[in-house]
Amino acid sequence: SQQGEEDPQALSIQEGENATMNCSYKTSINNLQWYRQNSGRGLVHLILIRSNEREKHSGRLRVTLDTSKKSSSLLITASRAADTASYFCATINTGGFKTIFGAGTRLFVKA
Amino acid sequence: DAGVTQSPTHLIKTRGQQVTLRCSPKSGHDTVSWYQQALGQGPQFIFQYYEEEERQRGNFPDRFSGHQFPNYSSELNVNALLLGDSALYLCASSLPHGNTGELFFGEGSRLTVL
Repeated sequence: SQQGEEDPQALSIQEGENATMNCSYKTSINNLQWYRQNSGRGLVHLILIRSNEREKHSGRLRVTLDTSKKSSSLLITASRAADTASYFCATINTGGFKTIFGAGTRLFVKA
Repeated sequence: DAGVTQSPTHLIKTRGQQVTLRCSPKSGHDTVSWYQQALGQGPQFIFQYYEEEERQRGNFPDRFSGHQFPNYSSELNVNALLLGDSALYLCASSLPHGNTGELFFGEGSRLTVL
């Protein structure tokens, strides 16, 4: 079973617009991570936010974490066609070792 | 510095056969995790190896087994293949002392079972 569930499942936007993806999870976590996957390729780590952090930035990425609601969001600002990919949130349960991925949001950015 | 490498990249098997997939972790990493990703789905955790031992296992049958060698490379073996085993198999390595942070993924081995 998957710990994180992303919303929406798919998102189509124009280049230059912002893209927001949401993730909900079920249990206590050490941290939450976001990964990106180009079609059929390996996943690439984007950003990690620890359970005691509320917001984190990296370039055009902004991640928020609300542990009381067990949710996180990933904002990509000023999107580009090259941002077209699947985005996954991932969590590690407190005291656990495995990283559990959600089903992903498929983002399509139209040029 | 080589990243995570996996082999083979593609392979086709028939039902009932056995397959072995291989992974070399990123230099300096001692922990290897394996994931199965069906088309359109997120990666599903199979198991994790640390210090040559299976440290944690996901919800996969015993047909899925693995091994980690002293050089930290790893193998995933799947016996008695089923059509439903067709998927992208991803290997990920992480830094020493456990899996509390970033995973580095290989490009995967795409298995097709006919």
